Amino acid sequence: QQPVQSPQAVILREGEDAVINCSSSKALYSVHWYRQKHGEAPVFLMILLKGGEQKGHDKISASFNEKKQQSSLYLTASQLSYSGTYFCGTPNSGNTPLVFGKGTRLSVIA
Amino acid sequence: DTAVSQTPKYLVTQMGNDKSIKCEQNLGHDTMYWYKQDSKKFLKIMFSYNNKELIINETVPNRFSPKSPDKAHLNLHINSLELGDSAVYFCASSQVWLWDEQFFGPGTRLTVL
Repeated sequence: QQPVQSPQAVILREGEDAVINCSSSKALYSVHWYRQKHGEAPVFLMILLKGGEQKGHDKISASFNEKKQQSSLYLTASQLSYSGTYFCGTPNSGNTPLVFGKGTRLSVIA
Repeated sequence: DTAVSQTPKYLVTQMGNDKSIKCEQNLGHDTMYWYKQDSKKFLKIMFSYNNKELIINETVPNRFSPKSPDKAHLNLHINSLELGDSAVYFCASSQVWLWDEQFFGPGTRLTVL
């Protein structure tokens, strides 16, 4: 079951904030966030686990709501370098590979 | 030093041919993966390989087969290539099965004519 991301695309001016959401119809065991710039490979941003454990880059923040089966990625004071497609991935069960959402395309303009 | 490398970067071939993509990681990771990213940018897991245990995405045709000569390598073999196989293929690795960040290779763009 593929997680659903919203919005599909967003355009920001430098310094503005954005929130990218990831929701699932199944129970979430973990949520993994990646960013992919055009023509490049996906790069890890953050993992959020049941129980509140997180692992990721200091400048990125995210939330994980197990009851609502959703996660949100918070991008504050956006920079041009934040531009790219953001993917969330979740395992369908506790021990299965990640299924990624369709991505959210973020464009930051000067 | 490159953490996860793939060769070739570009691969153009005719329908019906057999081809291979090589992947190597120098991170000492225990788990490796193959992903397919289609023209709509949908990133789909194909295989996960952890300590010689292979997990196959059931939607992957059996024309695709991973081969791991050792822990640092996971190559992808594709037989009887079809037009729909055209995509970017990414190799990735992680230290821990699933619960860890994945490091992606630069990708191999496969074009089937």
